[in-house]
Amino acid sequence: KQEVTQIPAALSVPEGENLVLNCSFTDSAIYNLQWFRQDPGKGLTSLLLIQSSQREQTSGRLNASLDKSSGRSTLYIAASQPGDSATYLCAVRPIGNTPLVFGKGTRLSVIA
Amino acid sequence: DTGVSQNPRHKITKRGQNVTFRCDPISEHNRLYWYRQTLGQGPEFLTYFQNEAQLEKSRLLSDRFSAERPKGSFSTLEIQRTEQGDSAMYLCASTESIGQRETQYFGPGTRLLVL
Repeated sequence: KQEVTQIPAALSVPEGENLVLNCSFTDSAIYNLQWFRQDPGKGLTSLLLIQSSQREQTSGRLNASLDKSSGRSTLYIAASQPGDSATYLCAVRPIGNTPLVFGKGTRLSVIA
Repeated sequence: DTGVSQNPRHKITKRGQNVTFRCDPISEHNRLYWYRQTLGQGPEFLTYFQNEAQLEKSRLLSDRFSAERPKGSFSTLEIQRTEQGDSAMYLCASTESIGQRETQYFGPGTRLLVL
């Protein structure tokens, strides 16, 4: 059974700092991995999707990497801003399956 | 707005009552998913539809839960005889079925509180 773990569970950083969020998954047989952002009480906003054949994806200040063989992904946020404060969720889509399997998320606070 | 919409956004009900939620997917998306998210947890899969056919149901979907997508467009999720443990955010997502490159787009969710 696929399990997704996100570390740390919570993170507080001063504005301007670069930071890394970690995601690990137990079964490397995946189609893709996706990072989402969730604001309190809101739905999910897709940030980056990495196909299993890719190593990384970039969007603005965000960079996500994927090492499928070791079951790890990282989300790098450059020059963090208070507006980046949210919960960041990692999800994988297992091969042969359609629903996403999510981690519990990392709650990020960026302090001005 | 052409994104996924969900109604109502919030629902407070008393234990034992029935509730129904609606999800309108992105137009022409043929797959529709329901997930449930409790506080401090990631979303957990409940069920999904390919057009009007319900193709998979999670063990989380007890007999009190039923979902429909009668015309392959919008979907409803009904919970009968609600329990306090049903309190959660119910999220809907839709996607074009394009194999490995499928990307799910999520709605804003319906937050249910059972008193």
